[in-house]
Amino acid sequence: QTVVTQEPSFSVSPGRTITLTCGLTSGSVSIDHYPSWYQQTPGQAPRMLIYRTNSRSSGVPDRFSGSILGNKAALTITGAQADDESHYYCMLFVGSGVWLFGGGTRLTVL
Amino acid sequence: QVHLVESGGGVAQPGGSLRLSCGASGFSFTSNNMHWVRQSPGKGLEWVAFIEHNGKSKWYVDSVRGRFTISRDNSRNTLSLQMNSLRLEDTAVYYCAKDFNYAFDNWGRGILVTVSS
Repeated sequence: QTVVTQEPSFSVSPGRTITLTCGLTSGSVSIDHYPSWYQQTPGQAPRMLIYRTNSRSSGVPDRFSGSILGNKAALTITGAQADDESHYYCMLFVGSGVWLFGGGTRLTVL
Repeated sequence: QVHLVESGGGVAQPGGSLRLSCGASGFSFTSNNMHWVRQSPGKGLEWVAFIEHNGKSKWYVDSVRGRFTISRDNSRNTLSLQMNSLRLEDTAVYYCAKDFNYAFDNWGRGILVTVSS
């Protein structure tokens, strides 16, 4: 059973840079998994930030960027702001008509 | 502007059925693949089902395969999810979402489904 892994929580000071990661329990993440990233605040629907590894969704600030780092997908927030405090989910297309979300990272900015 | 609105949620008993709908507007529904995603209370997101733009291909997460059926009516710009043999663990907010490059670029606000005896 393949599982998508994410850091459960992360804390960052305002203005600092943080990188969240997204891995697989079996194998490496690649562009062929079409990694995407979502931001969700309590009570709201998720909002797509990044698709196809590193393409930014319309209206998303350029402080958000996506990449592959080693064997994982990564979301980097450059210059974190207070309103970046949120839950972040990655999602991978693992083939055979299956999409998997990671468990999410709760980001605190303080 | 893309607009997705879910309806049909509510309370059902274990073993019961519910049918969710998602009305779509602001884009070419006929040309786009669609998904259902759910989120149990206080938990993370779980992809549930996919349907191709023409309705020909349908894929499901293992936990709902054989119990849930995704469908669409392109003449009415409506996506549906028929949920049968409901279990306690199906309790969640259900979102419809539009596919874009294997990602989900637009989401509805979600609808709560509660399975309880």
